[in-house]
Amino acid sequence: EPEVTQTPSHQVTQMGQEVILRCVPISNHLYFYWYRQILGQKVEFLVSFYNNEISEKSEIFDDQFSVERPDGSNFTLKIRSTKLEDSAMYFCASSASGTYNEQFFGPGTRLTVL
Amino acid sequence: QKEVEQNSGPLSVPEGAIASLNCTYSDRGSQSFFWYRQYSGKSPELIMSIYSNGDKEDGRFTAQLNKASQYVSLLIRDSQPSDSATYLCAVLMNRDDKIIFGKGTRLHILP
Repeated sequence: EPEVTQTPSHQVTQMGQEVILRCVPISNHLYFYWYRQILGQKVEFLVSFYNNEISEKSEIFDDQFSVERPDGSNFTLKIRSTKLEDSAMYFCASSASGTYNEQFFGPGTRLTVL
Repeated sequence: QKEVEQNSGPLSVPEGAIASLNCTYSDRGSQSFFWYRQYSGKSPELIMSIYSNGDKEDGRFTAQLNKASQYVSLLIRDSQPSDSATYLCAVLMNRDDKIIFGKGTRLHILP
């Protein structure tokens, strides 16, 4: 069964460093998403991406964040200068055809900022 | 008013009984609703989607939607210990095309 994959599973970084989180969405899906979940809190929408453009983004997704689809399979989230409060689980998700459609989540990357 | 509200629980249900999980939402124009299951330390796993008023059944799971009351629920029949998890209600907001999650309800199935 096709699934979303994410690497790395755990990333530890120093405050102020750049990190890139990687995702491979389900192969025939066209819409891609990033969410984050701070420990003990709810899953929060960050950004949606379709046709090589950002479709929607939340207030969390400020200038420190960017997304890219560098090739036909990968979808990345870059945080330019990490802060302590960026420590969270980051989930990538994909859907076949739009936000109204079911989204399938990857296993997540745990980001720890020291 | 919170956008998607769920009782945080824990909700304790005996094995074999029916577990009932509830969710209310604020955006009256919302059209798409999802239930996810999340085990501790894991990612959300899609259980059900529902788009129309009424019931939708899939195996032991039944999703119920009442748009007039802005209410969606999930019933789990014949609850098993493996159903013990946090259940997340997610709603596609009509106003801005984003999915908003509730905080989740922790379900504990008692053996």
